Amino acid sequence: GAGVSQSPSNKVTEKGKDVELRCDPISGHTALYWYRQSLGQGLEFLIYFQGNSAPDKSGLPSDRFSAERTGGSVSTLTIQRTQQEDSAVYLCASSLLQGNNSPLHFGNGTRLTVT
Amino acid sequence: AQSVTQLDSQVPVFEEAPVELRCNYSSSVSVYLFWYVQYPNQGLQLLLKYLSGSTLVKGINGFEAEFNKSQTSFHLRKPSVHISDTAEYFCAVSAQGNKLVFGAGTILRVKS
Repeated sequence: GAGVSQSPSNKVTEKGKDVELRCDPISGHTALYWYRQSLGQGLEFLIYFQGNSAPDKSGLPSDRFSAERTGGSVSTLTIQRTQQEDSAVYLCASSLLQGNNSPLHFGNGTRLTVT
Repeated sequence: AQSVTQLDSQVPVFEEAPVELRCNYSSSVSVYLFWYVQYPNQGLQLLLKYLSGSTLVKGINGFEAEFNKSQTSFHLRKPSVHISDTAEYFCAVSAQGNKLVFGAGTILRVKS
């Protein structure tokens, strides 16, 4: 079946512009996660959704970052007034159940470059 | 809070040689441990996980890992690597809720 889909796969934007990154999770997966992968930094947790609510948004780096999820499915990560340090690969993952032993299924990511 | 340390940023190894990728974690509570692999230009996929029970966990592609509570380690091993194993490997820990905390990753480079 279809995996986690992210769009666009690549995005180049000018400093100061807003960007929207989209994630389509696996159908039926109730939990959805956003991570950021920077060169040599590993994966940095940003936010987690259970259904449409976000119990943990502790990883959002600043108030320029926001995310929403609608219909318990698609999620959008929005970065306002982008800065060069926002350049990274943004990864989305979903899991079937809430719980520590439910594996995450990752998309291929959106590579964001801020010039 | 949990944290993960992957001691090697890069590990070069010749094909058919054994390999060990090291991972240490810190946590004040019981944890679940995972290894994920990221092939070039692809997303992460689960390699194996430790939840409970036997401390030796077998995963896909011939990899295995051993949970050592006293040393707070979860090292990944493979007795004989292939060129196709070249990828970045991430160790991760989960304790509270669903948030996975990842290490910085280890790039495994298999040479012929």
